[in-house]
Amino acid sequence: ETGVTQTPRHLVMGMTNKKSLKCEQHLGHNAMYWYKQSAKKPLELMFVYSLEERVENNSVPSRFSPECPNSSHLFLHLHTLQPEDSALYLCASSQEWGLDTEAFFGQGTRLTVV
Amino acid sequence: GQNIDQPTEMTATEGAIVQINCTYQTSGFNGLFWYQQHAGEAPTFLSYNVLDGLEEKGRFSSFLSRSKGYSYLLLKELQMKDSASYLCAVLDSNYQLIWGAGTKLIIKP
Repeated sequence: ETGVTQTPRHLVMGMTNKKSLKCEQHLGHNAMYWYKQSAKKPLELMFVYSLEERVENNSVPSRFSPECPNSSHLFLHLHTLQPEDSALYLCASSQEWGLDTEAFFGQGTRLTVV
Repeated sequence: GQNIDQPTEMTATEGAIVQINCTYQTSGFNGLFWYQQHAGEAPTFLSYNVLDGLEEKGRFSSFLSRSKGYSYLLLKELQMKDSASYLCAVLDSNYQLIWGAGTKLIIKP
Protein backbone atom coordinates (compact mmCIF):
# COMPACT_ATOMS: atom_id res chain seq x y z
CA GLU A 1 0.00 0.00 0.00
CA THR A 2 1.84 3.06 -1.25
CA GLY A 3 -0.82 5.63 -0.44
CA VAL A 4 -0.99 6.55 -4.12
CA THR A 5 -3.30 4.43 -6.24
CA GLN A 6 -3.46 4.42 -10.01
CA THR A 7 -6.02 2.82 -12.28
CA PRO A 8 -5.99 1.06 -14.59
CA ARG A 9 -2.69 -0.82 -14.20
CA HIS A 10 -2.64 -1.72 -17.88
CA LEU A 11 -4.30 -0.07 -20.86
CA VAL A 12 -4.27 -0.85 -24.54
CA MET A 13 -5.86 1.74 -26.78
CA GLY A 14 -6.15 2.52 -30.45
CA MET A 15 -4.95 5.81 -31.87
CA THR A 16 -8.52 7.08 -32.28
CA ASN A 17 -9.68 6.15 -28.77
CA LYS A 18 -10.26 8.40 -25.80
CA LYS A 19 -9.35 7.11 -22.36
CA SER A 20 -8.50 8.47 -18.93
CA LEU A 21 -5.96 7.52 -16.29
CA LYS A 22 -6.89 8.02 -12.67
CA CYS A 23 -4.73 8.71 -9.64
CA GLU A 24 -5.79 9.00 -6.02
CA GLN A 25 -3.65 9.81 -3.02
CA HIS A 26 -4.60 9.17 0.59
CA LEU A 27 -1.66 11.01 2.17
CA GLY A 28 -3.07 14.50 2.57
CA HIS A 29 -0.46 15.90 0.18
CA ASN A 30 -0.87 19.22 -1.59
CA ALA A 31 1.13 18.48 -4.75
CA MET A 32 0.48 15.86 -7.42
CA TYR A 33 2.45 14.97 -10.53
CA TRP A 34 2.22 13.03 -13.78
CA TYR A 35 5.40 11.46 -15.09
CA LYS A 36 6.12 9.47 -18.24
CA GLN A 37 8.64 6.64 -17.94
CA SER A 38 10.03 5.10 -21.13
CA ALA A 39 12.53 2.26 -21.19
CA LYS A 40 16.10 3.36 -20.44
CA LYS A 41 15.12 7.03 -20.34
CA PRO A 42 14.88 9.45 -17.41
CA LEU A 43 11.52 10.13 -15.88
CA GLU A 44 9.84 12.95 -17.77
CA LEU A 45 7.76 15.35 -15.73
CA MET A 46 4.54 16.09 -17.60
CA PHE A 47 2.32 18.06 -15.24
CA VAL A 48 2.38 19.40 -11.69
CA TYR A 49 -0.57 20.50 -9.60
CA SER A 50 -0.26 22.34 -6.31
CA LEU A 51 -3.43 22.87 -4.30
CA GLU A 52 -5.43 21.92 -7.39
CA GLU A 53 -3.77 24.60 -9.53
CA ARG A 54 -1.54 23.64 -12.44
CA VAL A 55 1.95 25.04 -11.82
CA GLU A 56 4.09 23.41 -14.50
CA ASN A 57 3.59 22.83 -18.19
CA ASN A 58 6.53 21.04 -19.69
CA SER A 59 5.58 21.36 -23.36
CA VAL A 60 3.43 18.27 -23.36
CA PRO A 61 1.40 17.59 -26.54
CA SER A 62 -2.23 18.63 -26.30
CA ARG A 63 -3.35 15.04 -26.80
CA PHE A 64 -2.57 14.72 -23.07
CA SER A 65 -4.95 16.72 -20.90
CA PRO A 66 -4.70 16.74 -17.08
CA GLU A 67 -7.48 17.40 -14.62
CA CYS A 68 -7.29 17.90 -10.87
CA PRO A 69 -10.79 18.18 -9.38
CA ASN A 70 -9.51 18.17 -5.79
CA SER A 71 -6.24 17.71 -3.93
CA SER A 72 -6.72 13.93 -3.68
CA HIS A 73 -7.48 13.12 -7.30
CA LEU A 74 -5.66 13.59 -10.56
CA PHE A 75 -6.66 12.48 -14.03
CA LEU A 76 -4.85 12.28 -17.33
CA HIS A 77 -7.18 12.34 -20.31
CA LEU A 78 -5.83 10.77 -23.49
CA HIS A 79 -7.03 11.21 -27.06
CA THR A 80 -5.63 10.50 -30.51
CA LEU A 81 -2.39 9.15 -29.09
CA GLN A 82 0.57 7.94 -31.13
CA PRO A 83 2.45 4.65 -30.80
CA GLU A 84 5.45 6.54 -29.35
CA ASP A 85 3.23 7.51 -26.41
CA SER A 86 3.37 3.91 -25.24
CA ALA A 87 5.09 4.03 -21.85
CA LEU A 88 4.57 3.69 -18.11
CA TYR A 89 2.66 6.68 -16.73
CA LEU A 90 3.40 7.35 -13.10
CA CYS A 91 1.47 9.53 -10.71
CA ALA A 92 3.19 10.92 -7.63
CA SER A 93 2.38 13.19 -4.73
CA SER A 94 4.42 15.17 -2.22
CA GLN A 95 3.63 17.24 0.85
CA GLU A 96 4.24 20.50 -0.98
CA TRP A 97 5.48 21.53 -4.40
CA GLY A 98 8.79 23.32 -4.62
CA LEU A 99 10.35 21.88 -1.49
CA ASP A 100 12.92 19.20 -0.82
CA THR A 101 10.36 16.60 0.19
CA GLU A 102 10.23 13.06 -1.08
CA ALA A 103 7.68 12.01 -3.66
CA PHE A 104 5.39 9.04 -3.23
CA PHE A 105 4.64 7.20 -6.45
CA GLY A 106 1.79 5.05 -7.63
CA GLN A 107 2.51 1.77 -9.39
CA GLY A 108 1.80 3.29 -12.76
CA THR A 109 -0.36 2.58 -15.77
CA ARG A 110 1.36 0.61 -18.51
CA LEU A 111 -0.05 2.19 -21.70
CA THR A 112 0.22 0.57 -25.09
CA VAL A 113 -1.01 2.51 -28.14
CA VAL A 114 -1.75 0.34 -31.14
CA GLY B 1 21.62 21.81 -20.33
CA GLN B 2 20.97 19.77 -17.26
CA ASN B 3 22.27 16.24 -17.11
CA ILE B 4 22.36 13.27 -14.76
CA ASP B 5 24.64 10.33 -15.59
CA GLN B 6 24.52 6.88 -14.06
CA PRO B 7 25.50 3.48 -15.41
CA THR B 8 22.80 1.67 -17.34
CA GLU B 9 23.32 -1.71 -15.74
CA MET B 10 25.44 -3.37 -13.06
CA THR B 11 25.80 -6.93 -11.87
CA ALA B 12 26.83 -8.03 -8.40
CA THR B 13 26.89 -11.17 -6.28
CA GLU B 14 24.64 -11.94 -3.35
CA GLY B 15 26.34 -11.01 -0.08
CA ALA B 16 28.76 -8.59 -1.75
CA ILE B 17 28.93 -4.78 -1.85
CA VAL B 18 28.07 -2.61 -4.83
CA GLN B 19 28.48 1.11 -5.45
CA ILE B 20 26.22 2.89 -7.94
CA ASN B 21 27.58 6.23 -9.09
CA CYS B 22 25.71 9.33 -10.19
CA THR B 23 27.22 12.50 -11.64
CA TYR B 24 25.23 15.61 -12.33
CA GLN B 25 25.40 18.99 -14.02
CA THR B 26 22.42 21.10 -13.07
CA SER B 27 21.47 24.75 -12.74
CA GLY B 28 21.75 25.01 -9.00
CA PHE B 29 21.45 22.31 -6.38
CA ASN B 30 18.92 21.77 -3.62
CA GLY B 31 19.57 18.14 -2.85
CA LEU B 32 19.93 14.71 -4.41
CA PHE B 33 17.55 11.79 -4.09
CA TRP B 34 17.95 8.06 -4.62
CA TYR B 35 14.90 5.93 -5.38
CA GLN B 36 14.54 2.18 -5.82
CA GLN B 37 12.19 0.76 -8.43
CA HIS B 38 11.44 -2.94 -8.72
CA ALA B 39 10.23 -4.10 -12.11
CA GLY B 40 6.57 -3.25 -12.58
CA GLU B 41 6.37 -1.35 -9.31
CA ALA B 42 6.40 2.21 -8.03
CA PRO B 43 9.70 3.98 -7.31
CA THR B 44 10.24 4.21 -3.55
CA PHE B 45 12.35 6.74 -1.69
CA LEU B 46 15.73 5.58 -0.37
CA SER B 47 17.71 8.67 0.59
CA TYR B 48 18.14 12.42 0.36
CA ASN B 49 21.47 14.25 0.60
CA VAL B 50 21.92 18.00 0.61
CA LEU B 51 25.20 18.30 2.54
CA ASP B 52 28.51 16.67 1.67
CA GLY B 53 29.30 13.38 3.27
CA LEU B 54 27.94 9.94 3.89
CA GLU B 55 24.46 9.13 5.15
CA GLU B 56 24.01 5.58 6.39
CA LYS B 57 20.68 3.84 6.63
CA GLY B 58 20.99 0.16 7.42
CA ARG B 59 22.53 -1.74 4.52
CA PHE B 60 22.25 1.30 2.26
CA SER B 61 24.45 4.41 2.37
CA SER B 62 24.46 7.48 0.15
CA PHE B 63 27.38 9.84 -0.38
CA LEU B 64 27.45 13.35 -1.81
CA SER B 65 30.22 15.66 -3.00
CA ARG B 66 28.71 18.93 -4.21
CA SER B 67 32.05 20.31 -5.43
CA LYS B 68 32.46 17.29 -7.72
CA GLY B 69 28.82 17.00 -8.74
CA TYR B 70 28.94 13.41 -7.62
CA SER B 71 26.99 10.96 -5.51
CA TYR B 72 26.99 7.25 -4.95
CA LEU B 73 24.66 4.71 -3.43
CA LEU B 74 26.39 1.92 -1.55
CA LEU B 75 24.57 -1.34 -0.96
CA LYS B 76 26.09 -3.83 1.47
CA GLU B 77 25.35 -7.49 2.14
CA LEU B 78 23.44 -7.72 -1.10
CA GLN B 79 20.27 -9.76 -1.16
CA MET B 80 18.37 -11.10 -4.17
CA LYS B 81 15.54 -8.69 -3.38
CA ASP B 82 17.92 -5.78 -4.06
CA SER B 83 17.63 -6.57 -7.79
CA ALA B 84 15.94 -3.40 -9.03
CA SER B 85 16.57 -0.14 -10.82
CA TYR B 86 18.11 2.68 -8.80
CA LEU B 87 17.18 6.21 -9.83
CA CYS B 88 19.24 9.29 -9.06
CA ALA B 89 17.48 12.67 -9.11
CA VAL B 90 18.70 16.20 -8.38
CA LEU B 91 16.58 19.11 -7.19
CA ASP B 92 17.74 22.16 -9.14
CA SER B 93 17.61 25.83 -8.20
CA ASN B 94 13.95 26.03 -9.27
CA TYR B 95 13.13 22.96 -7.14
CA GLN B 96 12.58 20.94 -10.30
CA LEU B 97 13.58 17.30 -10.05
CA ILE B 98 16.04 16.27 -12.77
CA TRP B 99 16.16 12.49 -13.15
CA GLY B 100 18.80 10.07 -14.33
CA ALA B 101 17.79 7.16 -16.55
CA GLY B 102 18.35 4.70 -13.72
CA THR B 103 20.79 1.86 -13.07
CA LYS B 104 19.47 -1.66 -13.37
CA LEU B 105 21.14 -3.78 -10.69
CA ILE B 106 21.23 -7.53 -11.23
CA ILE B 107 22.10 -9.72 -8.24
CA LYS B 108 23.43 -13.19 -8.93
CA PRO B 109 23.54 -16.04 -6.39
